[in-house]
Amino acid sequence: KAGVTQTPRYLIKTRGQQVTLSCSPISGHRSVSWYQQTPGQGLQFLFEYFSETQRNKGNFPGRFSGRQFSNSRSEMNVSTLELGDSALYLCASSLGGGGASYNEQFFGPGTRLTVL
Amino acid sequence: AQSVTQPDIHITVSEGASLELRCNYSYGATPYLFWYVQSPGQGLQLLLKYFSGDTLVQGIKGFEAEFKRSQSSFNLRKPSVHWSDAAEYFCAVGGYGSSDKLIFGTGTRLQVFP
Repeated sequence: KAGVTQTPRYLIKTRGQQVTLSCSPISGHRSVSWYQQTPGQGLQFLFEYFSETQRNKGNFPGRFSGRQFSNSRSEMNVSTLELGDSALYLCASSLGGGGASYNEQFFGPGTRLTVL
Repeated sequence: AQSVTQPDIHITVSEGASLELRCNYSYGATPYLFWYVQSPGQGLQLLLKYFSGDTLVQGIKGFEAEFKRSQSSFNLRKPSVHWSDAAEYFCAVGGYGSSDKLIFGTGTRLQVFP
């Protein structure tokens, strides 16, 4: 099976712009989670989508949003970019379903976003 | 609240020496525990995981970890470190509610001297 893919791998934007990142999960996986990694804050959970619905959300401002399509592919959008949004954005997919069982997450290579 | 603590920000060892990276978690239920490694500019690679059963877990690259419920710990060990093990290591816990999300520790950067 192909792994989790993220596009683009690198992005450079300027303050005030918006950006959209894409994540294609492993085939058959229905849950996609997004994480932000910065040197100061470490790895922080942004949100999780399951069957096109946001299932969980971390403590990020409303400028960060996401969505999931019927084929489980997901996008995240950051509007009005700030310098502090410079980070590695990681996407992870899992079978999903929740409940009593836990489903391991598989990570993509990440998108490196630089805001100038 | 769930949390993961990695008390060592930076560890330096000599090649061939043994290694132990500490991880403590705070969790209200049976945790699912993970160790990931990240090389510079790369994504996260899973080293090993604990879901249930034997508390000593073997992983890739010669790593192992032991789950100790009484100490809320999941320390990562390797008997002999190689220069290629230099990287950042993250402990994580999952399994909260209906979500598959992970809570990560702050990471431990491992430096290996020849």
